[in-house]
Amino acid sequence: DTGVSQDPRHKITKRGQNVTFRCDPISEHNRLYWYRQTLGQGPEFLTYFQNEAQLEKSRLLSDRFSAERPKGSFSTLEIQRTEQGDSAMYLCASSPTGEAYNEQFFGPGTRLTVL
Amino acid sequence: AQTVTQSQPEMSVQEAETVTLSCTYDTSESNYYLFWYKQPPSRQMILVIRQEAYKQQNATENRFSVNFQKAAKSFSLKISDSQLGDTAMYFCALRGSQGNLIFGKGTKLSVKP
Repeated sequence: DTGVSQDPRHKITKRGQNVTFRCDPISEHNRLYWYRQTLGQGPEFLTYFQNEAQLEKSRLLSDRFSAERPKGSFSTLEIQRTEQGDSAMYLCASSPTGEAYNEQFFGPGTRLTVL
Repeated sequence: AQTVTQSQPEMSVQEAETVTLSCTYDTSESNYYLFWYKQPPSRQMILVIRQEAYKQQNATENRFSVNFQKAAKSFSLKISDSQLGDTAMYFCALRGSQGNLIFGKGTKLSVKP
């Protein structure tokens, strides 16, 4: 399977715990995006990477959130001291650069439940 | 600010019939890209169709077509010959200045046999 993959698919945690999600983009894609989707809403942009550089962060990304993309390959999104309001689907998407980068390919998402 | 509005939370259509989903947007960019994405139940989001604002001709992909009205900032999706597999959430999206997508709240489409 050469699509975008995310791990884990589901995560249940207690409030105050730290969690980390992983995204593996399509191998030749330079751009990687993180979105958050809450129930009944469309995805909201969190941050994106061009290769290993994190170029933009939404104001939704509080200081409890951190994202990395070492070596420009997979990416991780960590949430520290989780809160119930962090419960959501976390989506990763990747795209190539150049003209074709207008299409983003999405992973299946990681559903986080904070108890 | 760039915004996308979908005013139809839910719609239903009989199999083989045609349905149109509405979307309006706001942007100050002179050139931009619009998209419709489909999110089937418990499955990942996939691109249905896209439109570049500088192109006058409406995009078409098989049974899917758009009605792009640039002056009205309207971008509706028409699905012809609806199939059961079209049942999904449909999101209208605008490409932001950083390449990120700005999504509407979605329309839940149910295709009934």
